[in-house]
Amino acid sequence: DVQLVESGGGLVQPGRSLRLSCTTSGFAFGDCSMSWFRQAPGKGPEWVGLIKNKDYRGATEYAASVRGRFTISRDDSKSIVYLQMNSLKTDDTGIYYCTRDEWGGLCGFYDYWGQGAMVTVSS
Amino acid sequence: DIVMTQSPDSLAVSLGERATINCKSSQSVLHSSNNRDYLAWFQQKLGQPPKLLIYWASTRESGVPDRFSGSGSGTDFTLTITNLQADDVAVYYCQQYSSSPRTFGQGTKVEIK
Repeated sequence: DVQLVESGGGLVQPGRSLRLSCTTSGFAFGDCSMSWFRQAPGKGPEWVGLIKNKDYRGATEYAASVRGRFTISRDDSKSIVYLQMNSLKTDDTGIYYCTRDEWGGLCGFYDYWGQGAMVTVSS
Repeated sequence: DIVMTQSPDSLAVSLGERATINCKSSQSVLHSSNNRDYLAWFQQKLGQPPKLLIYWASTRESGVPDRFSGSGSGTDFTLTITNLQADDVAVYYCQQYSSSPRTFGQGTKVEIK
């Protein structure tokens, strides 16, 4: 069975850093591009960024709101995708989800979601 | 960025009736290379992650009841829920994955009348 489990969330002060992990299983992780999404309390989902599969050498793309502060990386040997979040702002508060992305066309996409990791940025 | 606009923001439908949600993109999400519309529909219930209902604008995800259907192409899309059930109460989002940033509509809240 396909599983994605986000971890690493918590309460952090503005300006500090946090790293989220998305541990996956049940599919050929290396073939798949992966996206991070987030959802602020009471708001709709927002795309954060994606990391492409090995065919595209793990190239990344980001939303303008996080570009330069967030970094997505992947460890294909462990089937994990990471979201390093630096210079956090209160607006970054929300639930963070990872999911497979359509990019590259080799995998199912947006079909499996974990329960998410809650990130609260507050002083 | 491609802006996605849904209508209405909310609607109340009687059990067993039809709900129709519209989604308009600010530019076409149809790729000529494969003649596919890069448009998905999600359902989200309180406290849960989004659930994929429809992709490629009209392909129903495995396990999704056939009461849910998607249609449209280019810039105008529709999600139709026929024979509305109590379990369909949720917020519905369209999303384009034609280009980055992937963008969502603002959501449509479906309630029982």
